[in-house]
Amino acid sequence: SQQGEEDPQALSIQEGENATMNCSYKTSINNLQWYRQNSGRGLVHLILIRSNEREKHSGRLRVTLDTSKKSSSLLITASRAADTASYFCATGLDRGSTLGRLYFGRGTQLTVWP
Amino acid sequence: DAGITQSPRYKITETGRQVTLMCHQTWSHSYMFWYRQDLGHGLRLIYYSAAADITDKGEVPDGYVVSRSKTENFPLTLESATRSQTSVYFCASSERWDTQYFGPGTRLTVL
Repeated sequence: SQQGEEDPQALSIQEGENATMNCSYKTSINNLQWYRQNSGRGLVHLILIRSNEREKHSGRLRVTLDTSKKSSSLLITASRAADTASYFCATGLDRGSTLGRLYFGRGTQLTVWP
Repeated sequence: DAGITQSPRYKITETGRQVTLMCHQTWSHSYMFWYRQDLGHGLRLIYYSAAADITDKGEVPDGYVVSRSKTENFPLTLESATRSQTSVYFCASSERWDTQYFGPGTRLTVL
């Protein structure tokens, strides 16, 4: 399978703490994306990082990409209860025949306690 | 309203019946996708479409049929529903081959 695999499967922290989730993948990618899913809802795009980028920020989110290790991490700083959700990484492959497709991992369930 | 919508949001059907799940987007995005989400499997791609009248199979296409006669619509049909097709189905669209925008999902139960 080419899908990303998130680690850990579940993460439980207190408000104000930082949350770090990791994603590993198997093949060369064009980009890697992170999505959030609140319970019972559709996925919402958070951030995209391209294969030639190493780090990207968006508000309280920081994403890193290490293509040599085929891994990425998502850091959420100063977590809030509203950040409680499942977080998925998705990889877009660097192959013409699969352009447009994303391969999703199984997700990390983040719980932030007040 | 602008965005991507799915209907119905909830559906209960019986084994062997035909079911069609609708997906509509107002952005005129070229790409559209159907996923199913099951516990322990994450999101799995069923079918996708790069443009009107162009569709291709994903990871789990068996038992499903799609069509795309108009850019904005991408219906998914279960020709003869089975219990294993009980799942939450998500439609998504994208302008290019990067960010995807997801609908709210359809929860399908096959009895």
